[in-house]
Amino acid sequence: GAVVSQHPSRVICKSGTSVKIECRSLDFQATTMFWYRQFPKQSLMLMATSNEGSKATYEQGVEKDKFLINHASLTLSTLTVTSAHPEDSSFYICSAHLLGGETQYFGPGTRLLVL
Amino acid sequence: GDSVTQMEGPVTLSEEAFLTINCTYTATGYPSLFWYVQYPGEGLQLLLKATKADDKGSNKGFEATYRKETTSFHLEKGSVQVSDSAVYFCALNTRGYSTLTFGKGTMLLVSP
Repeated sequence: GAVVSQHPSRVICKSGTSVKIECRSLDFQATTMFWYRQFPKQSLMLMATSNEGSKATYEQGVEKDKFLINHASLTLSTLTVTSAHPEDSSFYICSAHLLGGETQYFGPGTRLLVL
Repeated sequence: GDSVTQMEGPVTLSEEAFLTINCTYTATGYPSLFWYVQYPGEGLQLLLKATKADDKGSNKGFEATYRKETTSFHLEKGSVQVSDSAVYFCALNTRGYSTLTFGKGTMLLVSP
């Protein structure tokens, strides 16, 4: 089946630093990737939709200058949390949409803790 | 707008018990419906899906039927195992074929 990886799986950083999270589709091409944020015991909140070669589309209330998304190739999208603060601590999950299909395939998630 | 409502958890069952997790939805058009499962500390895995009314999705002993008349997609399993303990998310696609709207998730705890 389609596999999506994320790196790192867990990161701890100091307040004010920037953190980059990578999302890769390992065995398929994904023209569209999605970034979600999940708070404890809550559902996934869509942050942005990332299309290869174009600017990401952000959901209402998500700061595009805070959460920088780059989708440089059909297999890689990155999310950079700039100037991270403790309130940015969360579980970030990406998913990739299989070209020509309907299903999204999810990465294992990245747990970010900002001290 | 489109939305998904799931029963609140946790659902606590003994091994081999029958499972039902209710899911209802509101949507414009004709969405596809999905169940995803999230094991502790992991991302989401697609469990099953149905793309049109009366379709039944099934996988690993779980099944759900797309009921347009009741706008429901309840998840069922005849005999749960301890390894089924996880959070289950009902979802539908919306705003085109690729964007998902999720329910809040239902935690299932199965004891030996």
